[in-house]
Order: sequence, then C-alpha cells, then structure tokens
Amino acid sequence: ETGVTQSPTHLIKTRGQQVTLRCSSQSGHNTVSWYQQALGQGPQFIFQYYREEENGRGNFPPRFSGLQFPNYSSELNVNALELDDSALYLCASSFGAGRGRHEQFFGPGTRLTVL
Amino acid sequence: SQQGEEDPQALSIQEGENATMNCSYKTSINNLQWYRQNSGRGLVHLILIRSNEREKHSGRLRVTLDTSKKSSSLLITASRAADTASYFCATDALDNDMRFGAGTRLTVKP
Repeated sequence: ETGVTQSPTHLIKTRGQQVTLRCSSQSGHNTVSWYQQALGQGPQFIFQYYREEENGRGNFPPRFSGLQFPNYSSELNVNALELDDSALYLCASSFGAGRGRHEQFFGPGTRLTVL
Repeated sequence: SQQGEEDPQALSIQEGENATMNCSYKTSINNLQWYRQNSGRGLVHLILIRSNEREKHSGRLRVTLDTSKKSSSLLITASRAADTASYFCATDALDNDMRFGAGTRLTVKP
C-alpha cells in the first residue's frame, strides 16, 4: 500500500448537491493530481496541484475545483453534481511537477454515486 | 480524451503462462508508464520507460517501447493468480498532459 489516503471511501449524493473529497499525500511529496475513473474506463486527469498552486487542468468544467494545503494534502470539490459525475475519484501524489515525469502513488479512491 | 489504447481489452490465461498486453498511442511522448489496478481500487505503478529507451525489465515484467510505431508492450512471465487485475498504460505527452488508456483486464486461472 502507498502512504496516500483518501476520504470518504464511498459517498452517495443527489443531483445538484455539492461534494468535497479529501486526499493526504505521501510523506515528502509536494504534488497531488486528481483523476476521475468511470466504470470500465481508464482514469481521466482532472487537475494537479504543485506547492499549493494549480499546475495544469484536464477537460473538466469549472464546477470541478480544488485546493492544496501547506501540508500538501488536497481537496476536490464538485458543485452542481450531475449523474455522469458518478465515478471512482483517485488522487495521486508525487514529488515534483509534471504529470507523467515522476512515479505517482495512488490512493485507494473515493467511489461517488450521484442519484 | 484518452491517448492510449490497450489491446486486448480482456485476456484470460492459465497460471504459469505468459501474458502480453499492448498499448498504442497517438502523440509524441516523454515517457510511458504501466500501472496495475485491482478491483476498482487505487493504481499501483509498475514501470516507467522513457522515450529514448527501448526495453526495460523489473522482476517478471518486461516492457518494450517502439516510438516509431507509437506502441508499447507489457509482458508478464510465469503468471500467477495474484496477477489478476486491470493493467493500464499512461503516456506523458509533450503537451505535459498524462493520459491513460482504457486498460486490459487480465484473468489468471489457477
């Protein structure tokens, strides 16, 4: 297991609600990336935070937002939830910026279901 | 959008056999990584191969990269039931965006 933790493990929300997912990065890592993984698909890059600043964003609308804190933990916020937001949300920590240039350590994920 | 495409989508083999999975991608890359995922849980990094490398080994894993064909393969030798998982390739494209394929679901029967 990696040292990356995510909470909660599972979450059920209704359409239109807002959700906050949390991630604690591995000790010594300063970068957190968030991914959305729909059932049967590969992870899709949402955004990355490096030293508390957003460092790149995938093709996701502004209602997906994030934060990184001084201890390098991170939050993913999703507003106005839609049914298609149902997915496994993964965070990955690494040391250094750049999505693929460094080995990423993934957390176990948060399974979000939107009804 | 997804960059890599794994082939086959699903693979079923007997324990002890070798498993080969392929990945094709579309744009030039800095490196390519392979990850493993058990039952919808977090991904585990297996191996990273840089664009100037052609082959890399790690234990029972062998990865090749052919940048002229924009393809990579992952070979797992002497497979075990515990290797049952989904395997993903991820490319670090020159536009600095990391993209995963849809994965190959490997089943190793004891």
